[in-house]
Amino acid sequence: NAGVTQTPKFRILKIGQSMTLQCAQDMNHNYMYWYRQDPGMGLKLIYYSVGAGITDKGEVPNGYNVSRSTTEDFPLRLELAAPSQTSVYFCASTPDGQWIEKLFFGSGTQLSVL
Amino acid sequence: AQSVAQPEDQVNVAEGNPLTVKCTYSVSGNPYLFWYVQYPNRGLQFLLKYITGDNLVKGSYGFEAEFNKSQTSFHLKKPSALVSDSALYFCAVSERGGTYKYIFGTGTRLKVLA
Repeated sequence: NAGVTQTPKFRILKIGQSMTLQCAQDMNHNYMYWYRQDPGMGLKLIYYSVGAGITDKGEVPNGYNVSRSTTEDFPLRLELAAPSQTSVYFCASTPDGQWIEKLFFGSGTQLSVL
Repeated sequence: AQSVAQPEDQVNVAEGNPLTVKCTYSVSGNPYLFWYVQYPNRGLQFLLKYITGDNLVKGSYGFEAEFNKSQTSFHLKKPSALVSDSALYFCAVSERGGTYKYIFGTGTRLKVLA
């Protein structure tokens, strides 16, 4: 049981380049999330999804796009990378149900934009 | 809108002494509250959660947290700190009946001194 898998683990981009951060979970969770972590700023929610075909903006969505075509996958797209997007990105998922449950986190993607 | 405040960037405590990491929250309805821990170069790990019921919640590794509705607080505590508890701790809130967003605080670095 792999849990939440993020790829790549590290990436260096040049300003203006594009890339997709991959996130996959094998727990049949409906809810999935993308966060970025910056020193002293905690985790900020970028986008989230409550099921295939449904996505919504979080606290800091500008410069990012997401899609959710399947339950398992929730990729995060950076179209025109900027230095301000240098961060560690975490994907997370949680099952739906009567009570909100804990988040299961991936191991993160460290992205540098130079 | 949901929000979480962790007023201390860093908490230092001597090994064997009790520790407290503070968290206050703001939601318009009833909260779900969580504590997570992050060790260097790792993803976040779940410690404990408050959903409903008993205000004192026990979690992993001997940690506990007390929910105080009147003070809108959810402080993390441990009776006797270990050097291995040194890590970054995050408080998070989600709103019951809300949008299933999990909002995190800025994190508190706990340093346990031998």
